[in-house]
Amino acid sequence: EVQLVQSGAEVKKPGESLKISCKVSGYRFTSFWIAWVRQMPGKGLEWMGVIYPGDSDTKYSPSFQGQVTISADESITTAYLQWNSLKASDTGMYFCARREGSSHMSFWGQGTLVTVSS
Amino acid sequence: DIQMTQSPSTLSASVGDRVTITCRASQSISSWLAWYHQKPGKAPKLLIYKASTLQSGVPSRFSGSGSGTEFTLTISSLQPDDFATYYCQHYNSYPWTFGQGTKVEIK
Repeated sequence: EVQLVQSGAEVKKPGESLKISCKVSGYRFTSFWIAWVRQMPGKGLEWMGVIYPGDSDTKYSPSFQGQVTISADESITTAYLQWNSLKASDTGMYFCARREGSSHMSFWGQGTLVTVSS
Repeated sequence: DIQMTQSPSTLSASVGDRVTITCRASQSISSWLAWYHQKPGKAPKLLIYKASTLQSGVPSRFSGSGSGTEFTLTISSLQPDDFATYYCQHYNSYPWTFGQGTKVEIK
């Protein structure tokens, strides 16, 4: 069974760093792209970027390029989304999702709620 | 970037109604379009991909059509479980983008 299990909710202060995770199981980790999607409170879905764990090839949305870092650790079949200096505007729910080939996103994690507040 | 525009933003309907949601792309995306729905506090769920292919396990009352820049999602007979927010998303090229969403509410 394909599963993407994300790390728990986080409460951080502006300027702090954060790394959230997406642990996958039930398939070959290095064979499928993993995407990250943001949803700000009460708003729609925003595609942030995608990584291919097989070779760490990464693509970012221009809106998120330089603001976050997407990475993956093949040894523990886990993808990551990282911030070096959080802002209040980073508050939101973050989802990881598996991409099917060069196509759509089929399997999704349950989401990680990130709250940034002083 | 390719912009995706959905209409309407909100739709009020009753159980049993036929519902249609439209998604327009700012340039041609061939058939590289997916539809998802999302309930509050939950992850999105894939309904349709490649514009018209029903994801395994999704009820046949859902259907998708279109190509190029104009796409539609149709629910043939709305069920209580279908009240949710619906999103289209293209994957023609990076960056992928979503429509702003269509909330289907109980009339």
